[in-house]
Amino acid sequence: EAGVAQSPRYKIIEKRQSVAFWCNPISGHATLYWYQQILGQGPKLLIQFQNNGVVDDSQLPKDRFSAERLKGVDSTLKIQPAKLEDSAVYLCASSAELFGQYFGPGTRLTVT
Amino acid sequence: AQKVTQAQTEISVVEKEDVTLDCVYETRDTTYYLFWYKQPPSGELVFLIRRNSFDEQNEISGRYSWNFQKSTSSFNFTITASQVVDSAVYFCALSEVTDKLIFGTGTRLQVFP
Repeated sequence: EAGVAQSPRYKIIEKRQSVAFWCNPISGHATLYWYQQILGQGPKLLIQFQNNGVVDDSQLPKDRFSAERLKGVDSTLKIQPAKLEDSAVYLCASSAELFGQYFGPGTRLTVT
Repeated sequence: AQKVTQAQTEISVVEKEDVTLDCVYETRDTTYYLFWYKQPPSGELVFLIRRNSFDEQNEISGRYSWNFQKSTSSFNFTITASQVVDSAVYFCALSEVTDKLIFGTGTRLQVFP
């Protein structure tokens, strides 16, 4: 069974630029999550989708971050415009049942 | 409010030593799940164990064992006879009804040959 796929693996941008990350969950997994992991910290949930709908986006900085999950499969997370403090690893996870999340390899973002 | 505390920032051991990683959690819910994840240098989070709040039995899987004590709100993880490949950052996490994972700050384990 293929795991959670993410791209790109690394991205370097200048502040005020835009960036987008892509995630393809495990086939059949209805729930998809985006986490932000700042260096030296544990991952923090940004947004949770159940199929096409948003379950929890309470910690998503909506003035600059947006996310969508088209057709209940792939998802894209966008940052526009980026700030220095957005430098982090962005992790995507998916699950087919409550409490069983599988994580992708992450995208390491550096904002200069 | 939910919170997970991993007080040990970094632990260094020599191969074959036993090591215990501590995890203390806070929650108001009676139904919750606790997890341990391993994050090797490659960065991917690897699931190790899930434990629900109604099951306080300790669990052993090979060299890994977990001790869950509701009375002290702790869910500690022990690696027996550690190996260099165990070197990683280990995260404890809590999940309540919404399935959202609340992570601790992690413990970096370094195992030297």
